[in-house]
Amino acid sequence: LAKTTQPISMDSYEGQEVNITCSHNNIATNDYITWYQQFPSQGPRFIIQGYKTKVTNEVASLFIPADRKSSTLSLPRVSLSDTAVYYCLVGDVNNAGNMLTFGGGTRLMVKP
Amino acid sequence: DSGVTQTPKHLITATGQRVTLRCSPRSGDLSVYWYQQSLDQGLQFLIQYYNGEERAKGNILERFSAQQFPDLHSELNLSSLELGDSALYFCASSVGAVQDPYEQYFGPGTRLTVT
Repeated sequence: LAKTTQPISMDSYEGQEVNITCSHNNIATNDYITWYQQFPSQGPRFIIQGYKTKVTNEVASLFIPADRKSSTLSLPRVSLSDTAVYYCLVGDVNNAGNMLTFGGGTRLMVKP
Repeated sequence: DSGVTQTPKHLITATGQRVTLRCSPRSGDLSVYWYQQSLDQGLQFLIQYYNGEERAKGNILERFSAQQFPDLHSELNLSSLELGDSALYFCASSVGAVQDPYEQYFGPGTRLTVT
């Protein structure tokens, strides 16, 4: 199971673009990369998922380099409501026994 | 609203007791996941069921057990409760297809306090 490493915390200001990088050096061929957002006392919320290159949806973009040993979640023009913990997950979609490890996450604080 | 429901919202009980947490997945989802989140341990995966059968097991204690019923709702049973079991317990569901098992939808959680 690929282990992920993320910064513990990040600060930003409203209107800025925020990039959170996740390292996953031992990612396997079948592994996908998924990001979740969690507000205090709420369940995590799926943001985006990708396998390689770039994925974009209405909320964020996910950049994955060719070697797939890292990935970057990009949040355009953050607002105060984006203050949350962001988790990077890496897992094998074909392994029925795969554990779903959220890790420590990155605590993003958006300031006015 | 994710479409996943959990009951009860709060639960206060004493050490040594047994409780049951209930989860109803989103309509159409076949997989149910249980997680424990405590202040010092983050979000820990406990167990996954897919269409009534156990599919993956995480850091679930022997005092804990779960099952998924034919109507796809799931229950997490916690017994011989200890103070350290106080935590938020989340249920999540997903379609369960091989292609996207990680697009999980989380419920609001059950806050368990053991005194």
